[in-house]
Amino acid sequence: DAGVTQSPTHLIKTRGQQVTLRCSPKSGHDTVSWYQQALGQGPQFIFQYYEEEERQRGNFPDRFSGHQFPNYSSELNVNALLLGDSALYLCASSFDRAEVQQYFGPGTRLTVT
Amino acid sequence: AQSVTQLGSHVSVSEGALVLLRCNYSSSVPPYLFWYVQYPNQGLQLLLKYTTGATLVKGINGFEAEFKKSETSFHLTKPSAHMSDAAEYFCAVSLGTSGTYKYIFGTGTRLKVLA
Repeated sequence: DAGVTQSPTHLIKTRGQQVTLRCSPKSGHDTVSWYQQALGQGPQFIFQYYEEEERQRGNFPDRFSGHQFPNYSSELNVNALLLGDSALYLCASSFDRAEVQQYFGPGTRLTVT
Repeated sequence: AQSVTQLGSHVSVSEGALVLLRCNYSSSVPPYLFWYVQYPNQGLQLLLKYTTGATLVKGINGFEAEFKKSETSFHLTKPSAHMSDAAEYFCAVSLGTSGTYKYIFGTGTRLKVLA
């Protein structure tokens, strides 16, 4: 049973560019959440997707957007990259029916130069 | 606002000594509490969780934590540290209602184990 997978593992982008990160949830899960973990910090909630819609959002600008596909996989898009967007981006999946625990993927390390 | 506070960004213990990592939370509703471990360049691995029931929770690798509502604490302990325990540890609270849970994380505690 595959866990949560994310791609790519590492990514280097230039300021002003756009980036797309991908996540496949654990088998049987239908909810995907994204978190940003800056160096030396705890993960910060970006947003959560369920039934292909953004269900809730953290305190992140509109440059951060996402999508969920019918197979429950998800993408995180960041436009107009800033140096401060450099971080580890974590995807977590869960099952909507009162599933409190989220399962995390290994993350995508984004470096903006 | 709900929050999680981890006292001590860095903790050092000798191999074989007691490990104690502190976590306090603020929440207006009964919380669900978690401890995660993160090794360098890796994602988050669940150590243990408290949802309901017994307040002393046992996890993997010999770790345990006790939920103390009166102290709003969920400290992580291990009787005897091992070199392989060196990592970053995050306490988290899960907030929301059915179908809207999200995590609020503390800032983490880096555990160093001395030989």
